[in-house]
Amino acid sequence: NAGVTQTPKFQVLKTGQSMTLQCAQDMNHEYMSWYRQDPGMGLRLIHYSVGAGITDQGEVPNGYNVSRSTTEDFPLRLLSAAPSQTSVYFCASSKFPGTRATDTQYFGPGTRLTVL
Amino acid sequence: GQQVMQIPQYQHVQEGEDFTTYCNSSTTLSNIQWYKQRPGGHPVFLIQLVKSGEVKKQKRLTFQFGEAKKNSSLHITATQTTDVGTYFCAGRGYRGSQGNLIFGKGTKLSVKP
Repeated sequence: NAGVTQTPKFQVLKTGQSMTLQCAQDMNHEYMSWYRQDPGMGLRLIHYSVGAGITDQGEVPNGYNVSRSTTEDFPLRLLSAAPSQTSVYFCASSKFPGTRATDTQYFGPGTRLTVL
Repeated sequence: GQQVMQIPQYQHVQEGEDFTTYCNSSTTLSNIQWYKQRPGGHPVFLIQLVKSGEVKKQKRLTFQFGEAKKNSSLHITATQTTDVGTYFCAGRGYRGSQGNLIFGKGTKLSVKP
């Protein structure tokens, strides 16, 4: 199993450009999510999905779009990049969110994005 | 909205000293999880606590979940240089947006040999 994979590892954008961060998992997990990590801010939830065709907003969704057409893939789209979106982006997946089973989040290696 | 506060933000210890980080939620949690992130790496799951008053141990690490299910702690006995990294707690509420996993800001641990 590759686990959770993310591409690209590094990206530099100019203000106003758009791009898609890719995330894929091969563990047949229903739950996938995107976080951004900024110094001193911990991990903040951007968007999440509880299954194919179902997505919802997290804590900081503005400027980002997601879709979930398959169980495996959960891409994150930046519509018009801004310097405030400079961050490290982590994708995560888990089998069951909730109390009845281990709710382990498996994180990808991250994408380090700089917006100039 | 739901908030998870974690203290301290930084901790510098001499190798062999103990270390504790504390987590406090503004709402009752269905579970709390702990993660470790090494410098330049990604968060890695350590443990999940579900029951009120639960205590779990992993070698030198002891995790506690408060009776009210609103606070938690991670204690490391006799730290080693391999313990270096940032430790995050993450709390999950019960429903709706409260059911999202909310991370604390983390405690960055440095260990001086």
